[in-house]
Amino acid sequence: DAKTTQPPSMDCAEGRAANLPCNHSTISGNEYVYWYRQIHSQGPQYIIHGLKNNETNEMASLIITEDRKSSTLILPHATLRDTAVYYCIVRVAGGILTGGGNKLTFGTGTQLKVEL
Amino acid sequence: NAGVTQTPKFQVLKTGQSMTLQCAQDMNHNSMYWYRQDPGMGLRLIYYSASEGTTDKGEVPNGYNVSRLNKREFSLRLESAAPSQTSVYFCASLSYRGSEQYFGPGTRLTVT
Repeated sequence: DAKTTQPPSMDCAEGRAANLPCNHSTISGNEYVYWYRQIHSQGPQYIIHGLKNNETNEMASLIITEDRKSSTLILPHATLRDTAVYYCIVRVAGGILTGGGNKLTFGTGTQLKVEL
Repeated sequence: NAGVTQTPKFQVLKTGQSMTLQCAQDMNHNSMYWYRQDPGMGLRLIYYSASEGTTDKGEVPNGYNVSRLNKREFSLRLESAAPSQTSVYFCASLSYRGSEQYFGPGTRLTVT
């Protein structure tokens, strides 16, 4: 799986958009970009993933550059409950039985602190 | 639908004691995983099971054994606990699409 680089920490005011960057310059053509987050003391939570098109769901938006070497996770209206460590992961999609990656490789992520 | 459940939530062991961490998922997923997370660090894969009846080593398997009892359950055993195994242990399962892993709430283990 390709490696990713994220800033160790970011701050955001409540109600503003939080933009979390991720560099993945060695990403392969069949690797997706996944985002997870981990709120203190809880298990990681899936947020969103994408291949090359921008994606949006009820939690966030994912913007992937045209060369796919970097991406940005956007939380449009951050709240205090969004304070967490955010992990950017690149891997082949699919489960083990379908030839996908067998695991998620978690780095140290970005600690996002949302403040009043 | 409880998702992924883990027991116990907390455990304190003495060096050399053994214990089994239990994990169960009710989403009918094939693949299941055990991770550990040390303070201030990311998750590291201990063992995984692609399907019922199969298990494989991850990054840090030493000192652990696993059993995929059935499709629902995947247990992690520490035969002789060491202080270096003090950590938070997370179990996870993988969705059919292979897109999302669902994690349990974790087991906080301290070995003294």
